[in-house]
Amino acid sequence: GAVVSQHPSWVICKSGTSVKIECRSLDFQATTMFWYRQFPKQSLMLMATSNEGSKATYEQGVEKDKFLINHASLTLSTLTVTSAHPEDSSFYICSVPGGAWRRETQYFGPGTRLLVL
Amino acid sequence: GDSVTQMEGPVTLSEEAFLTINCTYTATGYPSLFWYVQYPGEGLQLLLKATKADDKGSNKGFEATYRKETTSFHLEKGSVQVSDSAVYFCALSDPLNYGGSQGNLIFGKGTKLSVKP
Repeated sequence: GAVVSQHPSWVICKSGTSVKIECRSLDFQATTMFWYRQFPKQSLMLMATSNEGSKATYEQGVEKDKFLINHASLTLSTLTVTSAHPEDSSFYICSVPGGAWRRETQYFGPGTRLLVL
Repeated sequence: GDSVTQMEGPVTLSEEAFLTINCTYTATGYPSLFWYVQYPGEGLQLLLKATKADDKGSNKGFEATYRKETTSFHLEKGSVQVSDSAVYFCALSDPLNYGGSQGNLIFGKGTKLSVKP
């Protein structure tokens, strides 16, 4: 199956700094990637859909100026948390859809744990 | 809106015990249902899925049956192994709830399973 990598696996930063998280599809090209966020003991919540060659689509309640998404190539999407604050501390997970039109089979990266001090 | 509810963990079992992890859902349309598994240090992996009522998904000894009448998709395994220790997520994909993210997965909170030798 497809392999998806994320970098870094964890990061600690000071409040006010920006953090970039990379998501790479290693096995196949992906015109779409998904970014999820998971709080402790909570569900994964979809944040946005990253689209190669066009703007990302954000879910309701997600600040697009806060969470910048760039789908740089068919194998790379980046999520930048700008001016991070402690409430942004979370587990960020990307996924690549592997199915056909329903894209219901998704391949997940291992996640990036962000801690903002 | 659509949602998934699964039993809270952690669940601790002895090797060869029977496993049931309950999952129920609410959806506006006719969703596909999934179980994902996350082994320690790894990304989420699709364990099994069912796309219509009465379908049974199965993989690695795990089974789940799509029960529309009870809106359930309980995960079962007859004899668990230590290697099954992981976090299990129930999820749905509702084709009538695309929004800006076709194929969006809605997850339960996850159930941590620990199997003791």
